[in-house]
Amino acid sequence: DSGVTQTPKHLITATGQRVTLRCSPRSGDLSVYWYQQSLDQGLQFLIQYYNGEERAKGNILERFSAQQFPDLHSELNLSSLELGDSALYFCASSGSSRGPGTQETQYFGPGTRLLVL
Amino acid sequence: GQNIDQPTEMTATEGAIVQINCTYQTSGFNGLFWYQQHAGEAPTFLSYNVLDGLEEKGRFSSFLSRSKGYSYLLLKELQMKDSASYLCARTVDSSYKLIFGSGTRLLVRP
Repeated sequence: DSGVTQTPKHLITATGQRVTLRCSPRSGDLSVYWYQQSLDQGLQFLIQYYNGEERAKGNILERFSAQQFPDLHSELNLSSLELGDSALYFCASSGSSRGPGTQETQYFGPGTRLLVL
Repeated sequence: GQNIDQPTEMTATEGAIVQINCTYQTSGFNGLFWYQQHAGEAPTFLSYNVLDGLEEKGRFSSFLSRSKGYSYLLLKELQMKDSASYLCARTVDSSYKLIFGSGTRLLVRP
């Protein structure tokens, strides 16, 4: 158990819909990262927040947005969903020096499996 | 560019040793991570190298050569449960976002 929690575990929805994925980082971690993992692709970095502020952006679509709240949990919003958005969405956190690795080590949540029909 | 290259698949025998190589472009490099990922599960942290050399941690070791843009993960005394994907990832700049390779699927056979 990494200490990072994500909800929901599974999500099935239809094209054109909007969903929100939620992530709670490990206690003490200030950074939250979102990644997408499709069947035919590796883990793709989407976006990073640090203590409520956007820190880095990857190849995140304009239909996708995220935010980090004062209690440090984060939400990833996916709108106008397409079939190709079906994927595993992982959240990771870093920033505290607890556990193996360093402050830069990212610990991943269990992921949300999104299926768009 | 930030391309990371690693073999797609490898097969090894239980009890043996296997080395999984990873090459990356050196510009903007901060550090090199290895993660293990079983199918459908979250990646789990294995190792982090920021300086040249070998880091040993039980059955797993990781090596880094920054000048060559090269790393490897060494797995000893392979067990069936080591069958998984092994992901090489590098950090970029000060944000520490991770750029992942496509992963190496390791199959351990009896």
